[in-house]
Amino acid sequence: EIVMTQSPATLSVSPGERATLSCRASQSVSSNLAWYQQKLGQAPRLLIYGASTRATGIPARFRGSGSGTEFTLTISSLQSEDFAVYHCQQYNSWPPERGWTFGQGTKVEIK
Amino acid sequence: EVQLVQSGAEVKKPGESLKISCQGSGYSFSIYWIAWVRQMPGKGLEWMGIIYPGDSDTRYSPSFQGQVTISADKSINTAYLQWSSLEAADTAMYYCARMSRGCDYWGQGTLVTVAA
Repeated sequence: EIVMTQSPATLSVSPGERATLSCRASQSVSSNLAWYQQKLGQAPRLLIYGASTRATGIPARFRGSGSGTEFTLTISSLQSEDFAVYHCQQYNSWPPERGWTFGQGTKVEIK
Repeated sequence: EVQLVQSGAEVKKPGESLKISCQGSGYSFSIYWIAWVRQMPGKGLEWMGIIYPGDSDTRYSPSFQGQVTISADKSINTAYLQWSSLEAADTAMYYCARMSRGCDYWGQGTLVTVAA
């Protein structure tokens, strides 16, 4: 099973500042990496797929980068609606015999 | 508009059985894999398994193999997740999601509470 590790667990950021979230895979997942945003009491929402492609309707302030085992989600200027939990997920294997595993999440909170 | 609509919250006792559903609309349900994802209270997302509604090809995460059953009825665009004997540890939110370059659409979640 591919293990996904996110850091930090919690990130305290002031509105308007930049947030940088990391996700590391235990083995290469190429660019088969997605990022999700989950607000309290809501289902996750796809932000980024293919490591760097924004999903439909996602603002340009969200940027994904990386490949192989190291990935980053950058939120360039945090808006009030961006405070949430962010999950990364690898989808390298198809069909996913061993699971398209998620990281444990990074909570972005108001500083 | 693509939508996945899940069945409502459930409160069950240990040992009871349960089947929850996820109905898709706005797209060709048969040709996209559907995933089930568990989120225990205050925790992260866990991949449970997937099904291809077109032929009911089903795959399970090793952690959930034998613990749950995933099925689908393509004639009514619905996928299912079921338990034969619930435990308190099954208390969680369960999401279905359409698989396409990640999970691009999600159901609203079904909260399952198991308590004596």
